[in-house]
Amino acid sequence: QVQLVQSGAEVKKPGASVKVSCRASRYTFTSYAINWVRQAPGQRLEWIGWIIPDNGNTKTSQNFQGRLTISSDTSANTAYMELSGLRAEDTAVYYCARGWSYFEYWGQGTLVTVSS
Amino acid sequence: EIVLTQSPGTLSLSPGERATLSCRTSQSVSNNYLAWYQQKPGQAPRLLIYGISNRATGIPDRFSGSGSGTDFTLNISRLEPEDFAEYYCQQYDNSRVTFGQGTKLEIK
Repeated sequence: QVQLVQSGAEVKKPGASVKVSCRASRYTFTSYAINWVRQAPGQRLEWIGWIIPDNGNTKTSQNFQGRLTISSDTSANTAYMELSGLRAEDTAVYYCARGWSYFEYWGQGTLVTVSS
Repeated sequence: EIVLTQSPGTLSLSPGERATLSCRTSQSVSNNYLAWYQQKPGQAPRLLIYGISNRATGIPDRFSGSGSGTDFTLNISRLEPEDFAEYYCQQYDNSRVTFGQGTKLEIK
């Protein structure tokens, strides 16, 4: 069974950066895009961006211009999402999800709390 | 960016009843790239339907999707207790993804 295992919860101060990892297993990592989606408390799902591990190409939501870096390490079958300049409104559960136009497999989620 | 609007915001029904959830997109969906997810509190979303009407692996046949253009529907034919949850539609267009705001299906 495909697995996506994310790193643990983080607490950050405003202005700091956070890097969340997503380790994939039981499939060929380079064959599928990895997407990042977040969900603030009580809010809808919000797409952040994706990466194609095979070639490193990325696409990110315009809502995160200049603050977001998505990367991957094919030797470790792991994708990363780094968000800088954190604000209180970035407090959310961050998910990774495998797929192109839809997402059949999801990580367990990583809670990122931004608080002074 | 394509905006997805789901209705109703909350749907109150009893087990055994039929549920009809709507998703309207601000532009026509290309290549049938419309999916539905179920999410329960504290859990990651679960894919139900992709390509407008295709059930994902392991999804019971009481779940069905339909629609075209800008209007899409998720039907649940006979509600089971485990079906009461939040439901989201999602589209993919021009390498970008958007989600609807969700419909909460609650027990009446």
